[in-house]
Amino acid sequence: DAKTTQPTSMDCAEGRAANLPCNHSTISGNEYVYWYRQIHSQGPQYIIHGLKNNETNEMASLIITEDRKSSTLILPHATLRDTAVYYCIVRVGGGNAGNMLTFGGGTRLMVKP
Amino acid sequence: GAVVSQHPSWVICKSGTSVKIECRSLDFQATTMFWYRQFPKQSLMLMATSNEGSKATYEQGVEKDKFLINHASLTLSTLTVTSAHPEDSSFYICSAYPGQGPGHEQFFGPGTRLTVL
Repeated sequence: DAKTTQPTSMDCAEGRAANLPCNHSTISGNEYVYWYRQIHSQGPQYIIHGLKNNETNEMASLIITEDRKSSTLILPHATLRDTAVYYCIVRVGGGNAGNMLTFGGGTRLMVKP
Repeated sequence: GAVVSQHPSWVICKSGTSVKIECRSLDFQATTMFWYRQFPKQSLMLMATSNEGSKATYEQGVEKDKFLINHASLTLSTLTVTSAHPEDSSFYICSAYPGQGPGHEQFFGPGTRLTVL
């Protein structure tokens, strides 16, 4: 699986958009970008994933650059409950999605009042 | 979304004893379950992959005789830490893969915090 690079930590004001970047310059053509988050002392929670196109769901939006070498997770209106460590993971999806997830260091997002 | 439970949520045991942790998929059948370990201020590290009805596949450096994994049914996997020592104190998290779904994502349990005295 391709390696990802994320900033160690970020701050965001409550109610503002949180933009979390991720670099994955060695991503392969069949690898998806997945985002998970882990609130303190809990198991990780799936947020969103994508291959080429931008994706949006009820939690967040995922913007993938045209060359697919980087992506940005956007939380449109961050709340205090969004304070967590956010992990960007690149791996083969689809029929091979049973493969394990490799977690890097992630980005510790602190949402402040 | 799919729900995965773990039991117990926390456990304290004496050094030398064995501890069993259960991971259950509550509303789906999991063809594959994964066990992770997380030390304080560190990321999750995969310990082993468990497939129903077959032997678990352990990651390099994980002792299979110390961390016994049993995946007896499509909804239950257990991790037994045998002869636990203080260095085994950690946050143990399981995840389950249903084998289908739009995101093909894994669903994680809430974790079990093990403290070995």
